[in-house]
Amino acid sequence: DGGITQSPKYLFRKEGQNVTLSCEQNLNHDAMYWYRQDPGQGLRLIYYSQIVNDFQKGDIAEGYSVSREKKESFPLTVTSAQKNPTAFYLCASTPPGTSGRGQFFGPGTRLTVL
Amino acid sequence: EDKVVQSPLSLVVHEGDTVTLNCSYEVTNFRSLLWYKQEKKAPTFLFMLTSSGIEKKSGRLSSILDKKELFSILNITATQTGDSAIYLCAVRNAGGTSYGKLTFGQGTILTVHP
Repeated sequence: DGGITQSPKYLFRKEGQNVTLSCEQNLNHDAMYWYRQDPGQGLRLIYYSQIVNDFQKGDIAEGYSVSREKKESFPLTVTSAQKNPTAFYLCASTPPGTSGRGQFFGPGTRLTVL
Repeated sequence: EDKVVQSPLSLVVHEGDTVTLNCSYEVTNFRSLLWYKQEKKAPTFLFMLTSSGIEKKSGRLSSILDKKELFSILNITATQTGDSAIYLCAVRNAGGTSYGKLTFGQGTILTVHP
């Protein structure tokens, strides 16, 4: 089955540590996105990538970094510079051209800083 | 900067009630408006709207877009407890390096009591 997978499902981190969240898709989609969601709120865009080896900052990129070395993979690193990293992180992708469904979402990773 | 505002932020109703959720937007290069339902994890797609005045309908849910007044509404009739969720509105940008980028509203938290 095609889809987007994110791992881990839950992640705990001590303050000052960097952590990397995985996002993999086998949908052959060109564009991929990372969002952050805080409790009871909408999604805010962190980074996005339209093609391999290229990515752009979203609205809240500070304290995060990404890479896009393969079409299938778009990992997100939450660095120690991110002051309030506890949140729900969602990865998404879109196919080339016009999509009748917008973005496809992964199941999310819930990050908690201890 | 693209902006999406949803109202109300939260809503509590009883089964059988009809609800209307609102979404207004400002975007530099509008392509489409999307509605998603989010229960516990990944948002699931409801509707994509591109043209004014054409109602999209799926069961008890319907939605319409007004591109002149820059807003959309999502109606849910005869609500059920299973409709309890966060409803997200997003606008897709069609321009330049922002192509395909979605800007989300804060979401409306709908709670349906038996």
